Amino acid sequence: GQNIDQPTEMTATEGAIVQINCTYQTSGFNGLFWYQQHAGEAPTFLSYNVLDGLEEKGRFSSFLSRSKGYSYLLLKELQMKDSASYLCAVLDSNYQLIWGAGTKLIIKP
Amino acid sequence: IAGITQAPTSQILAAGRRMTLRCTQDMRHNAMYWYRQDLGLGLRLIHYSNTAGTTGKGEVPDGYSVSRANTDDFPLTLASAVPSQTSVYFCASSEGGESPLHFGNGTRLTVT
Repeated sequence: GQNIDQPTEMTATEGAIVQINCTYQTSGFNGLFWYQQHAGEAPTFLSYNVLDGLEEKGRFSSFLSRSKGYSYLLLKELQMKDSASYLCAVLDSNYQLIWGAGTKLIIKP
Repeated sequence: IAGITQAPTSQILAAGRRMTLRCTQDMRHNAMYWYRQDLGLGLRLIHYSNTAGTTGKGEVPDGYSVSRANTDDFPLTLASAVPSQTSVYFCASSEGGESPLHFGNGTRLTVT
């Protein structure tokens, strides 16, 4: 079966760095997405990786290793507004998105 | 403002009643999707449409139906609601392929 694993919840301190991991086992691979979802709101797109390596976008970076079935989202200089759930999703060989359950990130002052 | 609009925002529905959740986008995206989101579970695909006039079943289609008469609208119908359909429903659209999804603000549905 297809499976996406990510931690249920993480806690970090304002101004610090946090890494949210995602491992996947899917039927084929056409890319991996990260979305941010604030409580009571819709998910919003953060990043897309299809090749191995690190993609940097401001305070957020996303890394992919296809051989290990592994990605992480790195958030630097954490702000209180970064408190949200972070969703990992993989596009499989049929171009269907397989979603993880999400990681709830709690930022403490 | 370009985007995707869902209605209603929230609804309480008696079991056995019929309900249509509306979704409209003005981005001229070919692909549209309906997901449900339940606590502790990932987004689960109910139905999708790759282009106007075509629809397909997702992971959890039972009890739901959709239509795609034109590019902009993608309504989701619950023919006879049951309590297990209590959830938050998100409509999304994309250009297809590897393009990211754009989500509506969701409909919070409670079936009693």
